[in-house]
Amino acid sequence: ETGVTQTPRHLVMGMTNKKSLKCEQHLGHNAMYWYKQSAKKPLELMFVYSLEERVENNSVPSRFSPECPNSSHLFLHLHTLQPEDSALYLCASSQGQGGGIQYFGAGTRLSVL
Amino acid sequence: AQSVAQPEDQVNVAEGNPLTVKCTYSVSGNPYLFWYVQYPNRGLQFLLKYITGDNLVKGSYGFEAEFNKSQTSFHLKKPSALVSDSALYFCAVRSDSWGKLQFGAGTQVVVTP
Repeated sequence: ETGVTQTPRHLVMGMTNKKSLKCEQHLGHNAMYWYKQSAKKPLELMFVYSLEERVENNSVPSRFSPECPNSSHLFLHLHTLQPEDSALYLCASSQGQGGGIQYFGAGTRLSVL
Repeated sequence: AQSVAQPEDQVNVAEGNPLTVKCTYSVSGNPYLFWYVQYPNRGLQFLLKYITGDNLVKGSYGFEAEFNKSQTSFHLKKPSALVSDSALYFCAVRSDSWGKLQFGAGTQVVVTP
């Protein structure tokens, strides 16, 4: 276990549904990240939170909405998704913004029908 | 801008033989370089990193990587591969102290008995 827990592990949703992905880190880190992993493509950084403040938003569509209520929890709220949004969504955390290692959760496998 | 390339989609090696996974990068400034491994249905796990110092970096599970500044490469190596090393390997680079990693597309390693 890496100390980063993601729930649910699998999620199937229709395009009109609203759902949320949850990430919790038990490592005392102060930065958290959402990544999207699609087959045969590099990991795409979606959002970065540092000290609970969003510091990076990589042109992600508004149908993805992150929330970081405290330094241990990170959410990704989903609504009106498209089939091309089906992917593995990974959460990571790190300590600081230097050469710190990012620790990843196991991911949520999302399928949009 | 920064980028990282993993030229091989897949590497096949027999158990007991040396394993090499290639990575080249492009950054402005000094690179921070990382290798991660992903087993099926799992998140990414940190293997090793280069920040500064010795060009040969040793990491987890017997892996090592050599930083070559003139060739802008950071190839991952293991002297004797195991079947359990079969996984997806990612190289990542960061050009400064900010925690935004640029990942390669990944290389699938298949080790046959």
